[in-house]
Amino acid sequence: NAGVTQTPKFRVLKTGQSMTLLCAQDMNHEYMYWYRQDPGMGLRLIHYSVGEGTTAKGEVPDGYNVSRLKKQNFLLGLESAAPSQTSVYFCASSLPPASYSNQPQHFGDGTRLSIL
Amino acid sequence: AQTVTQSQPEMSVQEAETVTLSCTYDTSENNYYLFWYKQPPSRQMILVIRQEAYKQQNATENRFSVNFQKAAKSFSLKISDSQLGDTAMYFCAFMKPGAGSYQLTFGKGTKLSVIP
Repeated sequence: NAGVTQTPKFRVLKTGQSMTLLCAQDMNHEYMYWYRQDPGMGLRLIHYSVGEGTTAKGEVPDGYNVSRLKKQNFLLGLESAAPSQTSVYFCASSLPPASYSNQPQHFGDGTRLSIL
Repeated sequence: AQTVTQSQPEMSVQEAETVTLSCTYDTSENNYYLFWYKQPPSRQMILVIRQEAYKQQNATENRFSVNFQKAAKSFSLKISDSQLGDTAMYFCAFMKPGAGSYQLTFGKGTKLSVIP
């Protein structure tokens, strides 16, 4: 059981380039999330989705777009990368709290993205 | 909006000793969940312990226990018999269940070093 898989694990971009980060989960979870982690800032929510075809903004959505065309996949896009978007990006998925036994969210292993 | 504050950016403890990490939060909600996550150098996000606000009894998981003071909005983590493998970043997190995304709000983290 793979859980939550993020692709790629590392990437270096030049300012202005675009790219898409892929998150895939095999647990049939309805809810999916994208976070960014910066030194001294903890994890901050970028966007989230409560089901296939739905997305919503989190705390720091500017400069990012997301899509949830399939239940198992949640894509995070950077249309024009900026150095301020250099960060580690985490994807997570979950069931509604009434349904989960112990884990509030299952996390992927993160993607380290550097923008030069 | 909820906020989570971890006032200790870094801490160290001798192997086999006990250490307590602090966390305070601000919310007007009465029903919520609190969590401690561990992030070792591998970057994985590992759930350490959880606490439901409606439960008065403090949660315990092996060497990890919490001191939950609801009125004071305090949620500290105690690690007993510290081991070298406990060296990691520790994040306190808050979740408010209900309609919506069930998103986690994280503190900025405490970097714990266990010294041999």
